[in-house]
Amino acid sequence: DTGVSQNPRHKITKRGQNVTVRCDPISEHNRLYWYRQTLGQGPEFLTYFQNEAQLEKSRLLSDRFSAERPKGSFSTLEIQRTEQGDSAMYLCASSLIRNEQYFGPGTRLTVT
Amino acid sequence: DAKTTQPTSMDCAEGRAANLPCNHSTISGNEYVYWYRQIHSQGPQYIIHGLKNNETNEMASLIITEDRKSSTLILPHATLRDTAVYYCIVSSGRDSSYKLIFGSGTRLLVRP
Repeated sequence: DTGVSQNPRHKITKRGQNVTVRCDPISEHNRLYWYRQTLGQGPEFLTYFQNEAQLEKSRLLSDRFSAERPKGSFSTLEIQRTEQGDSAMYLCASSLIRNEQYFGPGTRLTVT
Repeated sequence: DAKTTQPTSMDCAEGRAANLPCNHSTISGNEYVYWYRQIHSQGPQYIIHGLKNNETNEMASLIITEDRKSSTLILPHATLRDTAVYYCIVSSGRDSSYKLIFGSGTRLLVRP
């Protein structure tokens, strides 16, 4: 097992465009978490899934953000009508329930 | 969720032990103490966690005081590759999410 992977690693987009980032968790992990990290800050929780069910969304996750985890495997995070304030590192982590989370390398999004 | 307090920065000499303190005075009985670290431009890396007892693994030791209001992460023989931001996180299963609430962490610099 190669750990959590995220694609793309870097994405530059223009304001107003839609962006989708993908996370492939560790295969047997039933929990998947999304976090966002801006420069100089610690990661902030966005949302999490248990299998295919999205169980919690942070207030940071505006209506322009949507996340899915079809079939309880990989997950996608879509940002519609991107704004410059969406520029951040988007981190994905996976775990078994009640166990430690393993993070991917992140997708660095830059909105110009 | 309980909050943690960590020094903003620390340094230690290569080969010496690095002792990173964390205060979590409002921790409650079912809350775990987790330590993660983040090396520049990478995703956070799980180090260790504990509830009441001291814990040790191949990376570090975790010492939790008897009243559980503080803990210390010990890297026994720090190397240059241990230079990173270290996050102390208190995570509970009260709401079953086990989401991680990151603070600002301690920036550890290991000097040659």
